[in-house]
Amino acid sequence: GAGVSQSPSNKVTEKGKDVELRCDPISGHTALYWYRQSLGQGLEFLIYFQGNSAPDKSGLPSDRFSAERTGGSVSTLTIQRTQQEDSAVYLCASSLNGVGQGETQYFGPGTRLLVL
Amino acid sequence: AQSVAQPEDQVNVAEGNPLTVKCTYSVSGNPYLFWYVQYPNRGLQFLLKYITGDNLVKGSYGFEAEFNKSQTSFHLKKPSALVSDSALYFCAVRDIVDTGRRALTFGSGTRLQVQP
Repeated sequence: GAGVSQSPSNKVTEKGKDVELRCDPISGHTALYWYRQSLGQGLEFLIYFQGNSAPDKSGLPSDRFSAERTGGSVSTLTIQRTQQEDSAVYLCASSLNGVGQGETQYFGPGTRLLVL
Repeated sequence: AQSVAQPEDQVNVAEGNPLTVKCTYSVSGNPYLFWYVQYPNRGLQFLLKYITGDNLVKGSYGFEAEFNKSQTSFHLKKPSALVSDSALYFCAVRDIVDTGRRALTFGSGTRLQVQP
């Protein structure tokens, strides 16, 4: 596709349930990032994947959060035992190779998660 | 550590007038600086970036930004605002020195409202 795509666009779940959010990066981009946008915290980094390197998980807020990237392309962010404070917009971004420090990250439309 | 400040939660300007959205940053080394725009229920769209070279950077939709090292600022400007420019604007930074961190650090965002 032409841009980063994310699914679902909206997700409503009950507290305690697990959710999976999907990101398809721009074709040919090897670097992939997850961010979270919430009213109280602004835009926060969650996790970064670059090729076959070990991911940078330094932004994950708790061990309930995990992510994987299969085949160097599609990524899934999983939140286990969701809490109300997990309600936010989850944004995925990709960049060409993550090596150049001035490299532009291109963002998807986000998944809006509401935990009831 | 790196940080970004956007001191104004909202900027109001009349259509046709020049606009400025302020951003200041803090990094331990030299910065890479970015501006993104977010329209309602959309992801972040890249506007422009400063890497090196000319302090005046031109970007999409007629926007430009000036890097000022002595004032650690990277204000976004446009000579003549359009109603369609109304959106949420984010400044972001990445520290050249901090090579292990690929993620961007974002400001809290500034809502631009252009009145007809």
